[in-house]
Amino acid sequence: GAGVSQTPSNKVTEKGKYVELRCDPISGHTALYWYRQSLGQGPEFLIYFQGTGAADDSGLPNDRFFAVRPEGSVSTLKIQRTERGDSAVYLCASSLGPGQGDGYTFGSGTRLTVV
Amino acid sequence: AQSVTQLGSHVSVSEGALVLLRCNYSSSVPPYLFWYVQYPNQGLQLLLKYTSAATLVKGINGFEAEFKKSETSFHLTKPSAHMSDAAEYFCAVSDRGFGNEKLTFGTGTRLTIIP
Repeated sequence: GAGVSQTPSNKVTEKGKYVELRCDPISGHTALYWYRQSLGQGPEFLIYFQGTGAADDSGLPNDRFFAVRPEGSVSTLKIQRTERGDSAVYLCASSLGPGQGDGYTFGSGTRLTVV
Repeated sequence: AQSVTQLGSHVSVSEGALVLLRCNYSSSVPPYLFWYVQYPNQGLQLLLKYTSAATLVKGINGFEAEFKKSETSFHLTKPSAHMSDAAEYFCAVSDRGFGNEKLTFGTGTRLTIIP
C-alpha cells in the first residue's frame, strides 16, 4: 500500500482482556517496528522484525506482550491480560531494511484504552 | 547506550520568526539522527535525517538541521515560522551499521505559533 496502515485506530478494552493490534507495512519494506507512545512522551521501542523473524524484542515490557509477522508482511501485536498501564498509542513503522539509514514510515497508530 | 535530550518541552514563536528546537544526543558510535513531526492524532512524519553526508541537512517544509559532532547537537531550525508548523517535534538517534536501526526518541517539543 501507499502507507503504513494500522487497525483499529481506537480500541477500548476492559482490564484483563486480550487485544490484537494489526499493522500492514509498505509493500517491499522488510523491516517492521512497533513502538509505544504514552501521553506526553516520545515513542518507546518495543520490537523489530526483519522479514518474518523478531530480530530484537528487547523493548517488550513483559511476557504479556507478543508480536508476530508470519509471512514477512502484516504484523500483529498481541497483549494478554491487559492492564490500565498498557493504555497508550501503539505505533507501527516500516523501512526498506537495516543499514539503509532511510528512516521509518510510521502508521497513524492504534490508541488503546484499558478501562 | 544511546540517548536524546530535547531542551524545552514547549516552545512558542511568533509567526514569521525563527524556529529553533534543540536536540543533543549521546551515542557510543557514529549516529544516524532524525527529526520527526507529529500533528494531533496522527503518526510521526520524517522531517529530515543525518546519515554522515553533509552536516547541514535540509528537510521538508523549509526545515533544516546541522550536525555538530563537537557539541553532540542536531538542532532543528526554520527561518520563518508558519501557523501550519504548530505540532510536536521529536528528535531521534540510532546506531548505524548494526543491522538494526532501532530509534531512541527524545521526549518531544511542542511548538506553538503565535499569530
